[in-house]
Amino acid sequence: NAGVTQTPKFRILKIGQSMTLQCTQDMNHNYMYWYRQDPGMGLKLIYYSVGAGITDKGEVPNGYNVSRSTTEDFPLRLELAAPSQTSVYFCASSYLLAGPKGELFFGEGSRLTVL
Amino acid sequence: GESVGLHLPTLSVQEGDNSIINCAYSNSASDYFIWYKQESGKGPQFIIDIRSNMDKRQGQRVTVLLNKTVKHLSLQIAATQPGDSAVYFCAEKQPNAGGTSYGKLTFGQGTILTVHP
Repeated sequence: NAGVTQTPKFRILKIGQSMTLQCTQDMNHNYMYWYRQDPGMGLKLIYYSVGAGITDKGEVPNGYNVSRSTTEDFPLRLELAAPSQTSVYFCASSYLLAGPKGELFFGEGSRLTVL
Repeated sequence: GESVGLHLPTLSVQEGDNSIINCAYSNSASDYFIWYKQESGKGPQFIIDIRSNMDKRQGQRVTVLLNKTVKHLSLQIAATQPGDSAVYFCAEKQPNAGGTSYGKLTFGQGTILTVHP
Protein backbone atom coordinates (compact mmCIF):
# COMPACT_ATOMS: atom_id res chain seq x y z
CA ASN A 1 0.00 0.00 0.00
CA ALA A 2 1.22 3.49 -0.83
CA GLY A 3 -1.01 4.93 1.92
CA VAL A 4 -2.00 8.57 1.42
CA THR A 5 -0.38 10.29 -1.56
CA GLN A 6 -0.46 14.05 -2.08
CA THR A 7 0.60 16.08 -5.08
CA PRO A 8 2.25 18.46 -5.64
CA LYS A 9 4.77 18.55 -2.79
CA PHE A 10 5.62 22.19 -3.42
CA ARG A 11 3.87 24.97 -5.30
CA ILE A 12 4.19 28.72 -5.60
CA LEU A 13 1.10 30.66 -6.64
CA LYS A 14 0.44 34.26 -7.45
CA ILE A 15 -2.39 36.07 -5.68
CA GLY A 16 -5.68 35.31 -7.40
CA GLN A 17 -4.52 32.13 -9.12
CA SER A 18 -6.35 28.86 -8.66
CA MET A 19 -5.07 25.37 -8.10
CA THR A 20 -6.05 21.93 -6.90
CA LEU A 21 -4.16 19.85 -4.37
CA GLN A 22 -4.60 16.19 -5.15
CA CYS A 23 -4.99 13.47 -2.54
CA THR A 24 -5.50 9.78 -3.06
CA GLN A 25 -5.48 6.80 -0.69
CA ASP A 26 -5.36 3.10 -1.43
CA MET A 27 -6.51 1.79 1.95
CA ASN A 28 -10.23 1.82 1.09
CA HIS A 29 -10.86 4.30 3.89
CA ASN A 30 -14.24 5.98 3.92
CA TYR A 31 -13.08 9.00 5.88
CA MET A 32 -10.78 11.64 4.46
CA TYR A 33 -9.64 15.02 5.74
CA TRP A 34 -7.74 18.11 4.71
CA TYR A 35 -5.71 20.01 7.31
CA ARG A 36 -3.49 23.05 7.08
CA GLN A 37 -0.48 23.64 9.27
CA ASP A 38 0.87 27.13 9.69
CA PRO A 39 4.45 27.65 10.96
CA GLY A 40 4.78 26.80 14.65
CA MET A 41 1.12 25.86 14.88
CA GLY A 42 -0.93 22.72 15.11
CA LEU A 43 -3.17 21.33 12.42
CA LYS A 44 -6.50 22.93 11.59
CA LEU A 45 -9.24 21.04 9.79
CA ILE A 46 -10.38 22.57 6.51
CA TYR A 47 -12.84 20.00 5.15
CA TYR A 48 -13.62 16.37 5.69
CA SER A 49 -15.57 13.63 3.99
CA VAL A 50 -17.32 10.58 5.43
CA GLY A 51 -17.71 8.86 2.09
CA ALA A 52 -18.02 9.35 -1.63
CA GLY A 53 -20.39 12.20 -2.38
CA ILE A 54 -20.43 13.51 1.20
CA THR A 55 -18.31 16.42 2.41
CA ASP A 56 -18.53 18.89 5.26
CA LYS A 57 -16.75 21.96 6.53
CA GLY A 58 -14.14 21.89 9.24
CA GLU A 59 -12.77 24.77 11.29
CA VAL A 60 -11.28 26.89 8.49
CA PRO A 61 -13.15 26.20 5.20
CA ASN A 62 -13.22 29.72 3.77
CA GLY A 63 -11.37 30.02 0.47
CA TYR A 64 -11.42 26.29 -0.21
CA ASN A 65 -13.63 23.73 -1.88
CA VAL A 66 -13.57 19.96 -2.00
CA SER A 67 -15.25 17.12 -3.82
CA ARG A 68 -15.36 13.38 -3.24
CA SER A 69 -16.47 11.56 -6.36
CA THR A 70 -14.66 8.33 -5.46
CA THR A 71 -13.56 6.62 -2.25
CA GLU A 72 -9.93 7.03 -3.21
CA ASP A 73 -9.70 10.71 -4.15
CA PHE A 74 -10.32 13.89 -2.19
CA PRO A 75 -9.00 16.96 -4.03
CA LEU A 76 -8.79 20.38 -2.37
CA ARG A 77 -9.45 23.40 -4.57
CA LEU A 78 -8.21 26.95 -3.97
CA GLU A 79 -10.16 29.29 -6.23
CA LEU A 80 -8.55 32.69 -5.59
CA ALA A 81 -5.26 32.22 -3.80
CA ALA A 82 -4.43 34.70 -1.05
CA PRO A 83 -1.22 35.13 0.98
CA SER A 84 -3.12 33.92 4.06
CA GLN A 85 -3.33 30.53 2.38
CA THR A 86 0.43 30.10 2.49
CA SER A 87 0.76 26.95 4.55
CA VAL A 88 1.54 23.26 4.52
CA TYR A 89 -1.50 21.18 3.63
CA PHE A 90 -1.97 17.64 4.85
CA CYS A 91 -4.45 15.13 3.58
CA ALA A 92 -5.40 12.27 5.88
CA SER A 93 -7.67 9.26 5.87
CA SER A 94 -9.07 6.88 8.43
CA TYR A 95 -11.00 3.63 8.51
CA LEU A 96 -13.39 4.97 11.12
CA LEU A 97 -14.18 8.50 12.20
CA ALA A 98 -11.24 9.97 14.07
CA GLY A 99 -11.35 8.48 17.51
CA PRO A 100 -10.68 5.08 19.04
CA LYS A 101 -9.66 2.83 16.17
CA GLY A 102 -10.06 5.84 13.93
CA GLU A 103 -6.35 6.51 13.60
CA LEU A 104 -5.55 9.13 10.98
CA PHE A 105 -3.04 8.28 8.28
CA PHE A 106 -1.41 11.39 6.89
CA GLY A 107 0.19 12.17 3.57
CA GLU A 108 3.58 13.85 3.45
CA GLY A 109 2.18 17.32 2.90
CA SER A 110 1.99 19.94 0.18
CA ARG A 111 3.83 23.18 0.82
CA LEU A 112 2.01 26.11 -0.79
CA THR A 113 3.33 29.65 -1.01
CA VAL A 114 1.16 32.48 -2.29
CA LEU A 115 3.02 35.61 -3.37
CA GLY B 1 -12.73 29.02 22.90
CA GLU B 2 -11.73 25.44 23.50
CA SER B 3 -8.09 24.71 22.84
CA VAL B 4 -5.32 22.26 23.36
CA GLY B 5 -2.02 23.77 24.40
CA LEU B 6 1.45 22.68 25.32
CA HIS B 7 3.45 23.82 28.35
CA LEU B 8 6.88 23.58 26.71
CA PRO B 9 7.41 24.41 23.07
CA THR B 10 10.93 22.89 23.01
CA LEU B 11 12.62 20.09 24.90
CA SER B 12 16.24 19.03 24.64
CA VAL B 13 17.45 15.79 26.19
CA GLN B 14 20.50 13.55 26.09
CA GLU B 15 20.32 10.20 24.40
CA GLY B 16 19.24 7.57 26.90
CA ASP B 17 17.34 9.99 29.12
CA ASN B 18 13.61 9.78 29.61
CA SER B 19 11.51 12.54 28.01
CA ILE B 20 8.23 13.96 29.21
CA ILE B 21 6.12 16.09 26.92
CA ASN B 22 3.12 17.84 28.45
CA CYS B 23 -0.20 18.99 27.09
CA ALA B 24 -3.10 20.87 28.64
CA TYR B 25 -6.61 20.64 27.31
CA SER B 26 -9.60 22.77 28.17
CA ASN B 27 -12.61 20.80 26.97
CA SER B 28 -13.77 18.49 29.74
CA ALA B 29 -16.12 16.77 27.26
CA SER B 30 -13.24 15.45 25.15
CA ASP B 31 -13.36 11.67 25.18
CA TYR B 32 -10.27 10.62 23.29
CA PHE B 33 -6.68 11.84 23.10
CA ILE B 34 -3.89 11.09 20.67
CA TRP B 35 -0.19 11.78 20.43
CA TYR B 36 1.35 12.25 17.01
CA LYS B 37 5.00 12.48 15.99
CA GLN B 38 5.98 14.63 13.04
CA GLU B 39 9.46 14.34 11.59
CA SER B 40 10.85 17.14 9.49
CA GLY B 41 9.24 17.27 6.05
CA LYS B 42 6.77 14.49 6.81
CA GLY B 43 3.20 14.12 7.86
CA PRO B 44 2.21 13.32 11.47
CA GLN B 45 2.39 9.71 12.54
CA PHE B 46 0.23 8.13 15.22
CA ILE B 47 2.14 7.19 18.37
CA ILE B 48 -0.36 6.28 21.05
CA ASP B 49 -3.88 7.10 22.12
CA ILE B 50 -5.97 6.98 25.26
CA ARG B 51 -9.66 7.09 25.99
CA SER B 52 -11.07 9.34 28.67
CA ASN B 53 -12.06 6.37 30.83
CA MET B 54 -8.39 5.47 31.28
CA ASP B 55 -5.59 7.27 33.10
CA LYS B 56 -2.59 5.43 31.69
CA ARG B 57 -1.68 3.53 28.59
CA GLN B 58 1.66 2.02 27.64
CA GLY B 59 3.17 1.28 24.29
CA GLN B 60 6.64 0.40 23.18
CA ARG B 61 8.91 2.86 25.04
CA VAL B 62 6.03 5.33 25.31
CA THR B 63 3.47 5.92 28.01
CA VAL B 64 0.56 8.34 27.94
CA LEU B 65 -0.88 9.63 31.18
CA LEU B 66 -4.22 11.36 31.45
CA ASN B 67 -5.23 13.44 34.46
CA LYS B 68 -8.81 14.54 33.92
CA THR B 69 -8.93 16.41 37.22
CA VAL B 70 -6.48 19.01 35.96
CA LYS B 71 -7.09 18.38 32.24
CA HIS B 72 -3.53 17.34 31.60
CA LEU B 73 -2.01 14.86 29.21
CA SER B 74 1.60 13.75 29.04
CA LEU B 75 3.75 11.60 26.80
CA GLN B 76 6.68 9.81 28.35
CA ILE B 77 9.39 8.40 26.13
CA ALA B 78 11.78 6.00 27.79
CA ALA B 79 15.46 5.81 26.82
CA THR B 80 15.11 8.58 24.25
CA GLN B 81 17.01 8.04 21.03
CA PRO B 82 18.18 10.48 18.33
CA GLY B 83 15.48 9.04 16.06
CA ASP B 84 12.89 10.37 18.50
CA SER B 85 13.81 13.94 17.54
CA ALA B 86 10.65 15.41 16.04
CA VAL B 87 7.68 17.62 16.79
CA TYR B 88 5.12 15.97 19.02
CA PHE B 89 1.47 16.97 18.90
CA CYS B 90 -1.30 16.12 21.27
CA ALA B 91 -4.84 16.10 19.95
CA GLU B 92 -8.19 15.83 21.67
CA LYS B 93 -11.44 14.63 20.23
CA GLN B 94 -14.78 15.99 21.26
CA PRO B 95 -17.73 13.60 21.23
CA ASN B 96 -19.46 13.11 17.90
CA ALA B 97 -22.58 15.20 17.52
CA GLY B 98 -24.31 12.13 16.18
CA GLY B 99 -24.95 10.42 12.87
CA THR B 100 -22.15 10.96 10.38
CA SER B 101 -20.94 14.19 11.95
CA TYR B 102 -17.29 14.33 12.70
CA GLY B 103 -16.09 14.35 16.30
CA LYS B 104 -13.85 17.39 16.14
CA LEU B 105 -10.18 16.60 16.55
CA THR B 106 -8.24 19.59 17.87
CA PHE B 107 -4.46 19.66 17.66
CA GLY B 108 -2.12 21.49 19.98
CA GLN B 109 0.81 23.63 18.83
CA GLY B 110 3.42 20.93 19.18
CA THR B 111 6.63 20.44 21.17
CA ILE B 112 9.97 20.19 19.46
CA LEU B 113 11.99 17.36 20.97
CA THR B 114 15.71 17.37 20.26
CA VAL B 115 17.80 14.40 21.36
CA HIS B 116 21.54 14.95 21.62
CA PRO B 117 23.87 11.96 21.14
